[in-house]
Amino acid sequence: QKEVEQNSGPLSVPEGAIASLNCTYSDRGSQSFFWYRQYSGKSPELIMFIYSNGDKEDGRFTAQLNKASQYVSLLIRDSQPSDSATYLCAVNIYNFNKFYFGSGTKLNVKP
Amino acid sequence: EAGVTQFPSHSVIEKGQTVTLRCDPISGHDNLYWYRRVMGKEIKFLLHFVKESKQDESGMPNNRFLAERTGGTYSTLKVQPAELEDSGVYFCASSYGQGRDGYTFGSGTRLTVV
Repeated sequence: QKEVEQNSGPLSVPEGAIASLNCTYSDRGSQSFFWYRQYSGKSPELIMFIYSNGDKEDGRFTAQLNKASQYVSLLIRDSQPSDSATYLCAVNIYNFNKFYFGSGTKLNVKP
Repeated sequence: EAGVTQFPSHSVIEKGQTVTLRCDPISGHDNLYWYRRVMGKEIKFLLHFVKESKQDESGMPNNRFLAERTGGTYSTLKVQPAELEDSGVYFCASSYGQGRDGYTFGSGTRLTVV
């Protein structure tokens, strides 16, 4: 069983809509949860991280964590074509210096 | 500030040859990490340096891979001899403290072994 699971997509949403990206993890020892955005051929770029149950908002982005259900999600409000990228979910398990990544969800925002 | 820089951006080598990848972390970042993504798979941890010391090399696939960080600045990752299954994108990342708040990735080196 993989430590982190993501639907590979593609997830297609119209411009201005809310994009919802989901991630599940297997180890209850997971402590911190990260969302990275990666444009094709570029480096993963940190969007947000969350440690505690609940929601964390940063501009158009909201991360949601539910430890009981072992899932973390990323909501992107007012999606823009520039948000089209692959979104990677990553978790730390006991060790802040080692990430486990999901395989990523490709998001397409259509004008 | 300059980001994490990796050289080369692409490398194509024949099976059995040696390749050395280089990573220059953000200045002042003591923590340096190597990850890789092979085709169709997720990004996986290789190892972690704190300054010049290897803290965790549990992700290194076998003894054909050798990472060094002399002087605690830049790091190299050597693959010798390269095999077909080593093809993929090798990412370097760095952070000032522990990776609790995430870290900054370089743009990666795409390695193709033919």
